[in-house]
Amino acid sequence: AQKVTQAQTEISVVEKEDVTLDCVYETRDTTYYLFWYKQPPSGELVFLIRRNSFDEQNEISGRYSWNFQKSTSSFNFTITASQVVDSAVYFCALRTKAAGNKLTFGGGTRVLVKP
Amino acid sequence: DGGITQSPKYLFRKEGQNVTLSCEQNLNHDAMYWYRQDPGQGLRLIYYSQIVNDFQKGDIAEGYSVSREKKESFPLTVTSAQKNPTAFYLCASSRKDRDYNYGYTFGSGTRLTVV
Repeated sequence: AQKVTQAQTEISVVEKEDVTLDCVYETRDTTYYLFWYKQPPSGELVFLIRRNSFDEQNEISGRYSWNFQKSTSSFNFTITASQVVDSAVYFCALRTKAAGNKLTFGGGTRVLVKP
Repeated sequence: DGGITQSPKYLFRKEGQNVTLSCEQNLNHDAMYWYRQDPGQGLRLIYYSQIVNDFQKGDIAEGYSVSREKKESFPLTVTSAQKNPTAFYLCASSRKDRDYNYGYTFGSGTRLTVV
């Protein structure tokens, strides 16, 4: 069985502060993919990043960065210098070969950026 | 532009009625999925289909039915047997099974309310 846990249900920050979202996953599969999605108030989920289990290189894309650590089964996401437009719900998800096509989602973390 | 179209955006249902939510994609994706999202919660898988004329139950299939007569279309019927249907419903699609390193493309969702 696979599972994704996002322990933080809601985070509130003031604009320009950094915010880090935690994601812990469980799987017995050695080959898997991890994803982050953003859900703005409009409702549609927007793909942010994909990382496979063989690539622990951390990534920075603009104000976004990701920290993947297999040793702790974590795939954390940081928004640097947050902006009001970053206010959304962020989902971490896991996809494994054993589970076929199905994505398993965490419960989501609501980020509120105040001006 | 390719994408997924869900309709309607808002739907109101009287108790005891069946309603059908539409999901159409022009991405030539083989697999399609239906998720339910309740306020403040993550996404739960209702049904999924990896090929035309075939579909499988997800984690919360009771009270729902689907069909997959065409590759492009995966309608979801919420039946009167679904005791608490008020929720936000998201449709998604992805490339075929062995390409599990890809994430999903999501539609913009249908918000269903029982009145």
